[in-house]
Amino acid sequence: RKEVEQDPGPFNVPEGATVAFNCTYSNSASQSFFWYRQDCRKEPKLLMSVYSSGNEDGRFTAQLNRASQYISLLIRDSKLSDSATYLCVVNQAGTALIFGKGTTLSVSS
Amino acid sequence: GAGVSQSPRYKVAKRGQDVALRCDPISGHVSLFWYQQALGQGPEFLTYFQNEAQLDKSGLPSDRFFAERPEGSVSTLKIQRTQQEDSAVYLCASSLSGGSYEQYFGPGTRLTVT
Repeated sequence: RKEVEQDPGPFNVPEGATVAFNCTYSNSASQSFFWYRQDCRKEPKLLMSVYSSGNEDGRFTAQLNRASQYISLLIRDSKLSDSATYLCVVNQAGTALIFGKGTTLSVSS
Repeated sequence: GAGVSQSPRYKVAKRGQDVALRCDPISGHVSLFWYQQALGQGPEFLTYFQNEAQLDKSGLPSDRFFAERPEGSVSTLKIQRTQQEDSAVYLCASSLSGGSYEQYFGPGTRLTVT
């Protein structure tokens, strides 16, 4: 079983739609949680950190449930430019990042 | 300022050849990480340096893989006797200190072993 599991998709949505991605992690010792975005043939870039209280950055909302070991990302009012792969990431003991396989989002006009 | 740079961006190697991949981290970043990303997968951890010390090499898939960072800045990942399963994108990331801080990724080196 992989340490971080995500639905690979693809998620195909029209512009303006709301889309949610989910992720589960297996190691309860995980300390930090992130969503990264990766465009085709580019490097991953940090989208947002995820906090237990939940956090929002514009159209993006991230939630963490430590008891269920579950992380989510909600994107509201999807734009064409949101098309990318979204990687769920956990960090243990302040060292290596553990990545999920990624969820592919395609937003169409 | 300058981000993480990697060279070469693309490398084609014949099976059995040795390759060396270079990473220039962001100036002043203490921590440096190497990841391997196979097609359709997320990046997977290979090894981690804090300054010149290699603190974790648990992700290196075999003893054909070797990494160094002798002066605590530039790092080289070397793969000896390459095999087809080594074909992947090799990503380098740096952070101010440890992984709890944001890791900034370089563009990667796409290695194809024929």
